[in-house]
Amino acid sequence: QQQVKQSPQSLIVQKGGIPIINCAYENTAFDYFPWYQQFPGKGPALLIAIRPDVSEKKEGRFTISFNKSAKQFSLHIMDSQPGDSATYFCAASGTASKLTFGTGTRLQVTL
Amino acid sequence: DTGVSQDPRHKITKRGQNVTFRCDPISEHNRLYWYRQTLGQGPEFLTYFQNEAQLEKSRLLSDRFSAERPKGSFSTLEIQRTEQGDSAMYLCASSLVDGKYGYTFGSGTRLTVV
Repeated sequence: QQQVKQSPQSLIVQKGGIPIINCAYENTAFDYFPWYQQFPGKGPALLIAIRPDVSEKKEGRFTISFNKSAKQFSLHIMDSQPGDSATYFCAASGTASKLTFGTGTRLQVTL
Repeated sequence: DTGVSQDPRHKITKRGQNVTFRCDPISEHNRLYWYRQTLGQGPEFLTYFQNEAQLEKSRLLSDRFSAERPKGSFSTLEIQRTEQGDSAMYLCASSLVDGKYGYTFGSGTRLTVV
């Protein structure tokens, strides 16, 4: 059972654009929602995370928006750069800290 | 201590052989996790340890898979009688007890079963 649904599967934006990646979850016990960035041949790296008591969190060019009632959260990347080209995964976890990942979004930022 | 270390980075094995992977977590992290990632998919949870105790195993972890963390430091993941469906990237991660500051993943071991 897929508990975290992620869209789109792939995304192409021009440099300076603002790609938006969306995720929806089912399990209301989830209380931690991180986003990971993965480059080919590397493990995922934590970008930013949010807990459900806030609706938005910003760290540098990355922003998470969180809608608890809709059970949805999204990642926005401001002023995207070619170096941001990677695969992005949303995830969610509950008290056990076990992460359930989305299926990933392959982002390409063109010049 | 620069992060989570996994060895080997790549492993090619014949179907039916046994393989063992090693993970060295960040030293102050109590929790250690194993995930499996297939091409085009997100990582899937396999098992995790808190110190030396294995606290949870996924249904994905068949009887052919066994993981250990004997002294609460490094961990090994063994796959017996490998099958072609075992081909994947095996990722190790570690975290503080409640994962509050997020996991740190290693670069993974890519297993190819031929």
